[in-house]
Amino acid sequence: GQNIDQPTEMTATEGAIVQINCTYQTSGFNGLFWYQQHAGEAPTFLSYNVLDGLEEKGRFSSFLSRSKGYSYLLLKELQMKDSASYLCAVRDDGSNYQLIWGAGTKLIIKP
Amino acid sequence: KAGVTQTPRYLIKTRGQQVTLSCSPISGHRSVSWYQQTPGQGLQFLFEYFSETQRNKGNFPGRFSGRQFSNSRSEMNVSTLELGDSALYLCASSTIGGDSSYEQYFGPGTRLTVT
Repeated sequence: GQNIDQPTEMTATEGAIVQINCTYQTSGFNGLFWYQQHAGEAPTFLSYNVLDGLEEKGRFSSFLSRSKGYSYLLLKELQMKDSASYLCAVRDDGSNYQLIWGAGTKLIIKP
Repeated sequence: KAGVTQTPRYLIKTRGQQVTLSCSPISGHRSVSWYQQTPGQGLQFLFEYFSETQRNKGNFPGRFSGRQFSNSRSEMNVSTLELGDSALYLCASSTIGGDSSYEQYFGPGTRLTVT
């Protein structure tokens, strides 16, 4: 079956670093996406990984290990505005390239 | 460039009624996907349309249907509404459907309340 697991909720302190993990089991793999969703708003794209390794984009980095079915999103120098839900999604080329979504991780930033 | 637009933004319906939601993708985008999101749940995939053809379909009952027009605008319809259909319905568009790295751009959503 298809399954994506993320922690339900995480708490971190302003200025610190937090790592949000995502593990997946899908019939195929054609890329992994991370999205940010603030409460009451639509998701917005953060990053895309299709090859193993780390992709860095400013304060945000995303890592992928295809052999382990594992990814993480790393947020540095946390700001209060980073309080949001972070969604992991896998494009499954075994299911006609459908995007399979995790339930999201709610990140709470404390001062 | 205008973003993805969805209408209406809010809707209140009664059980048993039907509803039609509309989505206008970003100009030039040919793929439109629909999702249902309920509190505490991830995005539940409804269907994806590409060039007026349904490319993928999620695990929703036949009461949920959709279509895409030649200008890439899309509509989804829910018939015989149930209380459990209360949710945020999100539409997302991308340049190319399915097998690409192109990310999806989401609209603001339509919040449907069924009473």
